[in-house]
Amino acid sequence: LAKTTQPISMDSYEGQEVNITCSHNNIATNDYITWYQQFPSQGPRFIIQGYKTKVTNEVASLFIPADRKSSTLSLPRVSLSDTAVYYCLVGDKAAGNKLTFGGGTRVLVKP
Amino acid sequence: GAVVSQHPSWVICKSGTSVKIECRSLDFQATTMFWYRQFPKQSLMLMATSNEGSKATYEQGVEKDKFLINHASLTLSTLTVTSAHPEDSSFYICSASDTSGSKKTQYFGPGTRLLVL
Repeated sequence: LAKTTQPISMDSYEGQEVNITCSHNNIATNDYITWYQQFPSQGPRFIIQGYKTKVTNEVASLFIPADRKSSTLSLPRVSLSDTAVYYCLVGDKAAGNKLTFGGGTRVLVKP
Repeated sequence: GAVVSQHPSWVICKSGTSVKIECRSLDFQATTMFWYRQFPKQSLMLMATSNEGSKATYEQGVEKDKFLINHASLTLSTLTVTSAHPEDSSFYICSASDTSGSKKTQYFGPGTRLLVL
């Protein structure tokens, strides 16, 4: 399984845009990139998923360059409730979407 | 999005007893479910892959006789922690994979907090 590397932590302020970049140099052709958010004592919550280029939904955008060796999660105008750990993962549908979690990025949004 | 439930949400038991945790996919069928364990301030660690109708596949270092997994239907997987000890106290999280059609997303349950006294 492809290994991912993310910054350990990031601080931001309310109303700002937060961009978290994840590297996955060994991503395979069949792998998709998925981001999850986790609050303390809760299971991870799906945020966004993509394969290439740009994906946008109501909560975030995901930017994936052509070589797919990295991806950037963009959270627009964060609020205090966005303080959480964000995980970037790659998985293959053929493997049942098996995922291996890295350390994640702890985002702290300050007032 | 798809919903995955877990029961119980928390459990306290005495050392030496067994504890069963259920994981259900509520609005989709999951041929594959996964079980994770998470210790405080750490990331999720995959314990095993549960496949409907077949034996689970355990990750290296996870004792299959201690963590019994049963995936009897397309919407239910159970994890039984046998002869639990204090070091088994952790946050157990399951996930279910919806791979129908073009779907390729894994959805997580809310987790079960286990405390072994």
